[in-house]
Amino acid sequence: QAVVTQEPSLTVSPGGTVTLTCGSSTGAVTSGHYPYWFQQKPGQAPRTLIYDTSNKYSWTPARFSGSLLGGKAALTLSGAQPEDEAEYYCLLSYSDVKVFGTGTKVTVL
Amino acid sequence: EVQLVESGGDLVQPGGSLRLSCAASGFTFSTYWMSWVRQAPGKGLEWVANIKQDGSEKYYVDSVKGRFTISRDNAKNSLYLQMNSLRAEDTAVYYCLRGSLYWGQGTLVTVSS
Repeated sequence: QAVVTQEPSLTVSPGGTVTLTCGSSTGAVTSGHYPYWFQQKPGQAPRTLIYDTSNKYSWTPARFSGSLLGGKAALTLSGAQPEDEAEYYCLLSYSDVKVFGTGTKVTVL
Repeated sequence: EVQLVESGGDLVQPGGSLRLSCAASGFTFSTYWMSWVRQAPGKGLEWVANIKQDGSEKYYVDSVKGRFTISRDNAKNSLYLQMNSLRAEDTAVYYCLRGSLYWGQGTLVTVSS
């Protein structure tokens, strides 16, 4: 099965911007992988932020946005807040199966 | 309000079996794909299996094929995961999902002697 790779950790200043990426061992990530992004804080269940590359839910803060960037899926956080400190995971679909990314720990400091 | 409540997690010996359940409410259960995702202690998320609305299609991660079976009962608004031949590496919190959107709070499965 495919391996989906994310940056292990990233640090962003309060109010700053950071971009997380999600790459596939099989090649370029496309809209056909229907990328999802999830946020998980310690001791909590994950929460879905983005679906199908760039679509948001009613609870998704406006400062989060999804895109495709350089053959990868990307999650951009613009105007980081202390409460955005969390682990972030992407999820890609490969026809019958789905694979989560390795996760990115985002520190707001 | 969408609610997903998992149950059935327990301590089980290697080689044993366990059946997880997920009670769904707040939406028309029979119209959605449902999934199981797990997270080993201190590790990342792993997609385990999903099942089509009518149960006619089921897909699994390679590591559980032949050991786990996902099923559903649309009349009872319930999703299940039958886990056989359990291994230490199956130890994790198991989450029930509606598609890839709504998550339950999870149930802990510990495989240990």
